[in-house]
Amino acid sequence: GAVVSQHPSWVICKSGTSVKIECRSLDFQATTMFWYRQFPKQSLMLMATSNEGSKATYEQGVEKDKFLINHASLTLSTLTVTSAHPEDSSFYICSARGTGAGTNSYEQYFGPGTRLTVT
Amino acid sequence: SQKIEQNSEALNIQEGKTATLTCNYTNYSPAYLQWYRQDPGRGPVFLLLIRENEKEKRKERLKVTFDTTLKQSLFHITASQPADSATYLCALDSRGAAGNKLTFGGGTRVLVKP
Repeated sequence: GAVVSQHPSWVICKSGTSVKIECRSLDFQATTMFWYRQFPKQSLMLMATSNEGSKATYEQGVEKDKFLINHASLTLSTLTVTSAHPEDSSFYICSARGTGAGTNSYEQYFGPGTRLTVT
Repeated sequence: SQKIEQNSEALNIQEGKTATLTCNYTNYSPAYLQWYRQDPGRGPVFLLLIRENEKEKRKERLKVTFDTTLKQSLFHITASQPADSATYLCALDSRGAAGNKLTFGGGTRVLVKP
């Protein structure tokens, strides 16, 4: 149980375009979802926290107008990178905390990540 | 400022030996500390959680200790196997409700040689 999926697993886009990444909890209800960014050989940096049905809370230094987060249901959150630039190239990982069989309230369940390359 | 430090140098260890990783933190009062495993190009996978009032936790070949006075956690992999090769991350919560965020250390890469 407690599986999180991400789509796509990798994407290449041109500079100036927007990219949407989906994060789904497959067998539990995700009351809170988190979006992280990870550059090569570095740790995960939290970008934002989102609760279903409310606006995301962004970490300091993360542009909310550039990284749009929508958590429209208890099983789906999306991250849209708007007007992407090469410096946005990174590994984006979502995680979820939730309720339901096979979950506990302290553990974060991570998706497999999405590799974004902006050319 | 808050800091979580893990040894950034890779840990090379012979199969069968015990690998010991360190996580030190400053300016935190975490309610609990977690350890995750991350393989290249993959998301982290939860391994163990230890609460502030617990000294030690075990799960199969894994053992975690938590010293809130030293502000340190040690993570041990006993009888290590090549399949244990991965990056191991420690993470601390921000004190509060269960939905609060985690902050991760930089991770330590472990390479177990047969």
